[in-house]
Parts: sequence; structure tokens; C-alpha cells
Amino acid sequence: EDQVTQSPEALRLQEGESSSLNCSYTVSGLRGLFWYRQDPGKGPEFLFTLYSAGEEKEKERLKATLTKKESFLHITAPKPEDSATYLCAVQATGTASKLTFGTGTRLQVTL
Amino acid sequence: DAMVIQNPRYQVTQFGKPVTLSCSQTLNHNVMYWYQQKSSQAPKLLFHYYDKDFNNEADTPDNFQSRRPNTSFCFLDIRSPGLGDAAMYLCATSREIGLSYEQYFGPGTRLTVT
Repeated sequence: EDQVTQSPEALRLQEGESSSLNCSYTVSGLRGLFWYRQDPGKGPEFLFTLYSAGEEKEKERLKATLTKKESFLHITAPKPEDSATYLCAVQATGTASKLTFGTGTRLQVTL
Repeated sequence: DAMVIQNPRYQVTQFGKPVTLSCSQTLNHNVMYWYQQKSSQAPKLLFHYYDKDFNNEADTPDNFQSRRPNTSFCFLDIRSPGLGDAAMYLCATSREIGLSYEQYFGPGTRLTVT
């Protein structure tokens, strides 16, 4: 069974204090790993797709990396508007388009 | 802007009273999904449509049904809602199936069961 575990559950940072979120996964065969941002009461917003170990993608203050067992979302010099829950999901080969999500990391960035 | 729209945003229903949630999309995507997300939990896939082909997840209760009358619209029907069905229901779309196409989510419908 595909599994996704995210840590920490919650993270509080001061503005400008860089950190990383972790997503560990077990999957029979990885087709893709996805990062989403979810604001309270809203649907997830797509951030990145990573396909193979060693791949990296960047968007503004966010950088996602992938190894064979985990992915990291690095947040550089965060701002209060980066506060949200960050969800990681995997899509396994042979499962059509099913995404298996983790429970997310709730990030709060304070002034 | 192309988007995924869900109506209503908030729905209150009584225990056992059938309810229908609506999703529409202007992305012209072939695949539409319904997820259930309970508080502080991961979104859980209920089923998806690839064009007119319906695909149910094995652990989705029979109480949940879906209809897709055309490319743009998809409905989630809960035949006899229980208290445990209170959740956020998320509709998502993707261009195709079987490849790593990203899924685009609507804002969700928050369902309360009284």
C-alpha cells in the first residue's frame, strides 16, 4: 500500500528564517511526487511535480527536491503570506491518476 | 480564467437526507475527481471519471454516487448522509489519465450533517 508521511506536523517560523519540510514515501513504483499548498477553507493549489531522484524545482522562495525515499520542500526567507498547509502526494505506476496524500505540514510565518 | 468551480461552498443537510454537490470546470479536462477531506486529514480519493468512464475506489462507501452528464459538470450524490460524512469535499480535474498530469482543485464544499 502506498504511504506518505510528512513532518513536522506544524512549524512556526519567523519571517526570514529558512527551513525545510519533509515528505517520506513508500510506493511500489513512483510515477510522480506532487507538492500542493492549501490555505484554510480552500482547495489545494498545485506547486510542483517531481519525477525522478535528483530532480529539483524552484518557485519564488520554494524549492522542492526528490530522493528515492523522500522529498524536501525548502523555504528560503519566508514571508507571512507563505503561511499555509503544505501537502505532499504520490502517484504510483499502475494506479491511473490516483494521488495518495500525506496529512500535511501546517506552516505559520510570523513577523 | 480557466478554473474549477464548486457549488455550494457550504452545505448543511440533515442526517439521512440526500444531498448533491456540484462541480464544473472550464479547463476542458478529460478527468474529474472527487476527494473527501476531514479536518486535519489527508484528502482521500472517492472516485474519478475519465471522460464518461466511472472509476470507484474500492473503499468508497455505496452511500456515495457520482454523475458526469457532460465534460464540464460532475456531481457528487450522498444518498443518506451520516454524521461521519461531514467533511470538505474537493473536486479536481486533470488533462489526461495514466501520466503525471497535475490535478487542479476547486475551492471545496464544506458539508455539515445535523
